[in-house]
Amino acid sequence: GQNIDQPTEMTATEGAIVQINCTYQTSGFNGLFWYQQHAGEAPTFLSYNVLDGLEEKGRFSSFLSRSKGYSYLLLKELQMKDSASYLCAVLDSNYQLIWGAGTKLIIKP
Amino acid sequence: ETGVTQTPRHLVMGMTNKKSLKCEQHLGHNAMYWYKQSAKKPLELMFVYSLEERVENNSVPSRFSPECPNSSHLFLHLHTLQPEDSALYLCASSLRAGDYNEQFFGPGTRLTVL
Repeated sequence: GQNIDQPTEMTATEGAIVQINCTYQTSGFNGLFWYQQHAGEAPTFLSYNVLDGLEEKGRFSSFLSRSKGYSYLLLKELQMKDSASYLCAVLDSNYQLIWGAGTKLIIKP
Repeated sequence: ETGVTQTPRHLVMGMTNKKSLKCEQHLGHNAMYWYKQSAKKPLELMFVYSLEERVENNSVPSRFSPECPNSSHLFLHLHTLQPEDSALYLCASSLRAGDYNEQFFGPGTRLTVL
């Protein structure tokens, strides 16, 4: 079966750095997405990785290793507004998105 | 209005009621999606429409009935639901179905079935 694993919940301190991991086992791979979802709101797109390596976008970076079936989202200089759930999703060989259950990130002052 | 809108935002219904959820996208996209989001579970894809044709139906019970009258509008008709159907129902759209384009989500309808 197809599976996406990410931690259920993480806590970090304002101003610090946090890394949210995602491992996947899917039938084929056509890219990996990260979305952010604030409580009661729509998920919003953060990043898309299809090649190995690190993609940096301001305070957020996303890393992919296809051989390891592994990605992480790195958030720097954490702000209170970064408190949200972070969803990892993989596009499989049929171009269907397989979603993880999300990681709830709690930021403390 | 811009982006993807959904109405109503909240809905409480009994098991014998019939109701409809509405989604509208103002992005000129050709693909639209219905997802179910339950607490601490992955998003479940329910239906995919591409150019108003249904291209995906992931074994969804017949008490959920989608309708896509045009590429900007998507409905989910509900009847004789069960309490376990209580969840957040998200609509999304993308430029095309079946490729790497990001999906744009609406704010969702929080459904409670009594």
